[in-house]
Amino acid sequence: NAGVTQTPKFRILKIGQSMTLQCTQDMNHNYMYWYRQDPGMGLKLIYYSVGAGITDKGEVPNGYNVSRSTTEDFPLRLELAAPSQTSVYFCASSYEGQPQHFGDGTRLSIL
Amino acid sequence: GESVGLHLPTLSVQEGDNSIINCAYSNSASDYFIWYKQESGKGPQFIIDIRSNMDKRQGQRVTVLLNKTVKHLSLQIAATQPGDSAVYFCAEFRGGSNYKLTFGKGTLLTVNP
Repeated sequence: NAGVTQTPKFRILKIGQSMTLQCTQDMNHNYMYWYRQDPGMGLKLIYYSVGAGITDKGEVPNGYNVSRSTTEDFPLRLELAAPSQTSVYFCASSYEGQPQHFGDGTRLSIL
Repeated sequence: GESVGLHLPTLSVQEGDNSIINCAYSNSASDYFIWYKQESGKGPQFIIDIRSNMDKRQGQRVTVLLNKTVKHLSLQIAATQPGDSAVYFCAEFRGGSNYKLTFGKGTLLTVNP
């Protein structure tokens, strides 16, 4: 049982490049989430999904896009990378009303 | 506005002592609280949760206390071990859809041998 798996673990991008952060879970959770964590701070919600085909914005969605074509996968897309998007990104999943389970994060630097 | 905050950013204890990590919240509508542990280079790990209709819940070596009168919750770790060294976050939910998980900034717990 792998839980929540995020790839890649590390990535360096140039300003203006695009990339997709991958997230997959094998717990059959209907809810999935993307957070970013800046140094010394808590986590801020970027986007979330309550099931396949349904996504919605969180607290800090600007500059990001998501899709949820399957229950297992919830990729996060950066179209035009900016230095302000340098952060650690965490994906999480849960059943409704239950604690969220987190992956180990993707550390992204934009130079 | 809503907020989940922590009283102390760092806490240093001796191995074997008990640790208490505090958290204040401002939203009376919050009905579910979670404590997470985050080790360096890892994602947050669920420790224990408590619902607003409870004032205490115990787990293995951990106890969470909820005081709704003063909007405060605490995490008590008994017989703290070096492996407990990590950042601890409290987070709150409000009822209905559970997307609204608000995190505090975290407390860094350091356990000295």
